[in-house]
Amino acid sequence: ETGVTQTPRHLVMGMTNKKSLKCEQHLGHNAMYWYKQSAKKPLELMFVYSLEERVENNSVPSRFSPECPNSSHLFLHLHTLQPEDSALYLCASSQVRGQQNYGYTFGSGTRLTVV
Amino acid sequence: DAKTTQPPSMDCAEGRAANLPCNHSTISGNEYVYWYRQIHSQGPQYIIHGLKNNETNEMASLIITEDRKSSTLILPHATLRDTAVYYCIVRPRGGDMRFGAGTRLTVKP
Repeated sequence: ETGVTQTPRHLVMGMTNKKSLKCEQHLGHNAMYWYKQSAKKPLELMFVYSLEERVENNSVPSRFSPECPNSSHLFLHLHTLQPEDSALYLCASSQVRGQQNYGYTFGSGTRLTVV
Repeated sequence: DAKTTQPPSMDCAEGRAANLPCNHSTISGNEYVYWYRQIHSQGPQYIIHGLKNNETNEMASLIITEDRKSSTLILPHATLRDTAVYYCIVRPRGGDMRFGAGTRLTVKP
């Protein structure tokens, strides 16, 4: 496998369910990101992990909980979601060296529907 | 981060050059111009980036004005598969990639 892989591609969950989105990158990058893209809206940066440490949390509700166990894997744990959380969730990775942060490679996304 | 302004939509005839403009009048000296595109419901795809010199790769050319306040992405021979939303992003060195609304390019036969 190459690039950035996200699973599942599609997910339907009830508001009381708990689920997790998975992202795996095979590029040797050391930074990973979660983005949310709601219908007809720009991508919103949710979380940033660099060298496995969370460096940014853009005021995301606590019902979204990220986890980065190593530099190749990133999870987004979901619980008690609302219908307005339905969106395309995109994972990306990049290589960070000192002050340089190179271009991002994105996965194909998980289309989440909350019912 | 500097803000970018792009037209919401553009059309282009198949086989012709597509020229997508971007204004970034508040860009500062350490900020790069990146272009990505997103084909319907897929993840964004990197196209090209530059600081102040014009850049060319196998996908496109990037023309940055001398004052760096605007840039143009050129797809030299647009095909139907180039129909997508194109994002111009101004990003400080080491900063995060933050997306705006982009330009929806429709390539027509």
